[in-house]
Amino acid sequence: GAVVSQHPSRVICKSGTSVKIECRSLDFQATTMFWYRQFPKQSLMLMATSNEGSKATYEQGVEKDKFLINHASLTLSTLTVTSAHPEDSSFYICSATTRTGSNQPQHFGDGTRLSIL
Amino acid sequence: GQQVMQIPQYQHVQEGEDFTTYCNSSTTLSNIQWYKQRPGGHPVFLIQLVKSGEVKKQKRLTFQFGEAKKNSSLHITATQTTDVGTYFCAGPENTGFQKLVFGTGTRLLVSP
Repeated sequence: GAVVSQHPSRVICKSGTSVKIECRSLDFQATTMFWYRQFPKQSLMLMATSNEGSKATYEQGVEKDKFLINHASLTLSTLTVTSAHPEDSSFYICSATTRTGSNQPQHFGDGTRLSIL
Repeated sequence: GQQVMQIPQYQHVQEGEDFTTYCNSSTTLSNIQWYKQRPGGHPVFLIQLVKSGEVKKQKRLTFQFGEAKKNSSLHITATQTTDVGTYFCAGPENTGFQKLVFGTGTRLLVSP
């Protein structure tokens, strides 16, 4: 149980392109999903918390207009990197919890490796 | 802000040797979670510790939560090449929401 699917797994595109990444909870409903960014050999950096039916909560320093998050249903959250530039190249991972509460483990998608040329 | 540090950053062992990673939080935690991320993969939840001084075992892995609930450790006995990866501890952010603060991670390399 608790499977999170993330798509696409890899994107290579030109500078200025907008890229949409999907995160789906396959066998459970996720009221809250999280989006992380991870640079090589570094830890996970939380970008935003995605709440179903409401606006996402962004971490300090993360541009809302640059990283658009939509959580339209209990099983789907999307992250759109708008007008991507080479510095946006990174590994983006989503996660979800099966229940609310601060003691819940997070279940991660496979991640999306984004490369902007 | 709240910080979670891990040492060592990196360790290279021979198969069969033991390995330990230590996790230290700047704040008291209600619980500590451990994740493993294989090279090129995503983090996978291993275990959660809640009680002060709690010790849990999963086969060759032993997890401990400190008495003050500010530190934790993961010990692997007789490492195998399948143990290769980065081990992260994580604790809930003290804002009361579901966010986790991940540790800096320890990368383990095991040579056959």
